[in-house]
Amino acid sequence: AQTVTQSQPEMSVQEAETVTLSCTYDTSESDYYLFWYKQPPSRQMILVIRQEAYKQQNATENRFSVNFQKAAKSFSLKISDSQLGDAAMYFCAYRTMNRDDKIIFGKGTRLHILP
Amino acid sequence: GAVVSQHPSRVICKSGTSVKIECRSLDFQATTMFWYRQFPKQSLMLMATSNEGSKATYEQGVEKDKFLINHASLTLSTLTVTSAHPEDSSFYICSARVPNQGFLYEQYFGPGTRLTVT
Repeated sequence: AQTVTQSQPEMSVQEAETVTLSCTYDTSESDYYLFWYKQPPSRQMILVIRQEAYKQQNATENRFSVNFQKAAKSFSLKISDSQLGDAAMYFCAYRTMNRDDKIIFGKGTRLHILP
Repeated sequence: GAVVSQHPSRVICKSGTSVKIECRSLDFQATTMFWYRQFPKQSLMLMATSNEGSKATYEQGVEKDKFLINHASLTLSTLTVTSAHPEDSSFYICSARVPNQGFLYEQYFGPGTRLTVT
């Protein structure tokens, strides 16, 4: 069975600094999708970034980028120039290529932004 | 992007009563919707997958008779918590799968419903 592990329950970063959130996963599949979701205090889940496992290039969305290490089964999220609005729970998630398959979420990392 | 709404956003009910939560896809048709439960400071736990026109598929450990799911149309799925008890108090989140995206499909999440059972 696939699992997603986030080993950092909480992290803090100074505003405008860079922070990296860690995520590891376990799977026997060769093709799959990885996601980072943000859940702010409003509780609305927001997709931050997505990575297809068959792509070697790391995904980037503005200030958000990932470091995808397929062999190590590692998928970290880097947030550059942290802003107060980045404060939220961040969930790492996994899904197989099967369109009917479910998303498996990690336990989450709560990110605090220090002004 | 696709928008998913939930109603109500908050509900308080007495123990033993039933409560219905609606999940709607506002600008697209969703053949598949998902229901999650989230306890405080915890991750999302998938409860069931709801397919339009057919019975929902429940995850292991989720009571089918307690959490009734109906997906009667392509834009609406409902979750009814029957005979609610205080331990059912939680945050319930739905998501809808945007169709016709091949292998990759996005799940768009609703804003959630906070259920408090007194």
